[in-house]
Amino acid sequence: KQEVTQIPAALSVPEGENLVLNCSFTDSAIYNLQWFRQDPGKGLTSLLLIQSSQREQTSGRLNASLDKSSGRSTLYIAASQPGDSATYLCAVSSGGGADGLTFGKGTHLIIQP
Amino acid sequence: DAGVTQSPTHLIKTRGQQVTLRCSPKSGHDTVSWYQQALGQGPQFIFQYYEEEERQRGNFPDRFSGHQFPNYSSELNVNALLLGDSALYLCASSWPSTGVRGYTFGSGTRLTVV
Repeated sequence: KQEVTQIPAALSVPEGENLVLNCSFTDSAIYNLQWFRQDPGKGLTSLLLIQSSQREQTSGRLNASLDKSSGRSTLYIAASQPGDSATYLCAVSSGGGADGLTFGKGTHLIIQP
Repeated sequence: DAGVTQSPTHLIKTRGQQVTLRCSPKSGHDTVSWYQQALGQGPQFIFQYYEEEERQRGNFPDRFSGHQFPNYSSELNVNALLLGDSALYLCASSWPSTGVRGYTFGSGTRLTVV
């Protein structure tokens, strides 16, 4: 059974800092990995999608890497802003996509102005 | 381009009642998945519908059932509601059904069981 762990559970940093969120998964036979952002009480916004054959994806100030063999992914946020405050969720897809997404519990991020 | 639409946004039900939640997928998407997210937890996979059939199911009891219509929209039904069913219910759509292009989520339905 796939399990996803996200570290740290919570993080508070001053505005402008670069930061790294970590995600690990137990079964390396993943189909792809997706990072989401969730604002309080809201749905999920997709940030980055990495296929199992890829090593990283970039979008603006965000960069996500994937090391499938070690079961790890990182989300790098450059020059953090107060608007980046949210919960960040990592999710992996297995079984050719038929098994749905397995999520971690998320990292609750607060960027202090 | 409309994204995933869920209704209603909030719902309060009494223990033992039945509830139906609705989802319209993103334009061009044919696969719909449902997730339950308890407070402070990551979403948990309930089931996925493709071609009007339940394709895969997570670890949820038979009280949770669903349906997909020919226009790809979907319903989630929960019978005999328990207090523990209180959660945010999220619908996600994708194309193709493998999810190789990722999933798009709706804003969710907040269900409170009293």
